[in-house]
Amino acid sequence: DAGVIQSPRHEVTEMGQEVTLRCKLISGHNSLFWYRQTMMRGLELLIYFNNNVPIDDSGMPEDRFSAKMPNASFSTLKIQPSEPRDSAVYFCASSGRVKFQETQYFGPGTRLLVL
Amino acid sequence: GENVEQHPSTLSVQEGDSAVIKCTYSDSASNYFPWYKQELGKGPQLIIDIRSNVGEKKDQRIAVTLNKTAKHFSLHITETQPEDSAVYFCAASILVGGADGLTFGKGTHLIIQP
Repeated sequence: DAGVIQSPRHEVTEMGQEVTLRCKLISGHNSLFWYRQTMMRGLELLIYFNNNVPIDDSGMPEDRFSAKMPNASFSTLKIQPSEPRDSAVYFCASSGRVKFQETQYFGPGTRLLVL
Repeated sequence: GENVEQHPSTLSVQEGDSAVIKCTYSDSASNYFPWYKQELGKGPQLIIDIRSNVGEKKDQRIAVTLNKTAKHFSLHITETQPEDSAVYFCAASILVGGADGLTFGKGTHLIIQP
C-alpha cells in the first residue's frame, strides 16, 4: 500500500496568494483528518471528515481556510488569501480498520512557507 | 476541550538505558491514547496505542501504561538504540482510533547518546 499521499511536499508562496494542499487517502479508509504543525502550537487538528462529510471544523483558524472531499479518496485544503502566519507543516491522516481498531496513518506532510 | 500535557520536552539517555515519557490529560471521557514517533522531515508514525479498558500494553521494547483515575499515561522504551532518537508525541481522543480527531501533547525530543 502506498500510504497517505500528500502534494506538494514543499510550497513557497507570497502573501495574498491562494494555496491548495492535496491529500489522497489510503484505499479503503473512510475518515480524513487535516492537522497543522508549528513550533509554537505543536500538532493541531484543523478539520476531519467521515464518509466525505465534514464532522468538526472547529479547528480551522479563519474563513481563509477551507477543506473539501470531492470523493471518497481525495481531499483538498485551501488557504485564500495566504498570510505569513500560515507558514507550517500541514499533515493529512486517514483512518481505517487495523485488527478491529481504527488507527490514524499520517502522510509525509506539506511544508508551507508564506513570504 | 481536551488538553494533553507532555513531559519532558527533551530527554537524553545513554544507549542501552531506559527512557520514560509522561503525559496527562484533562477530559475524563477520553478512551484512546496513542503514541507517535516523528523523525525529521517525516509524518508522525504510530508506535503503540492503548484503550481505556487496559492498564498496560507491551510491544517488544516499548510499553505504555495508563492510569485512568489519575488521568495520566506513560511511554517506556527499554534497551534504547540510536534509531530510537526522534520526537515522540502522546495523544488522546474520546473515540477509539482517534475517530473524533486526536489532541496531541507538545512532544518529547528523545536523544540517544552512543
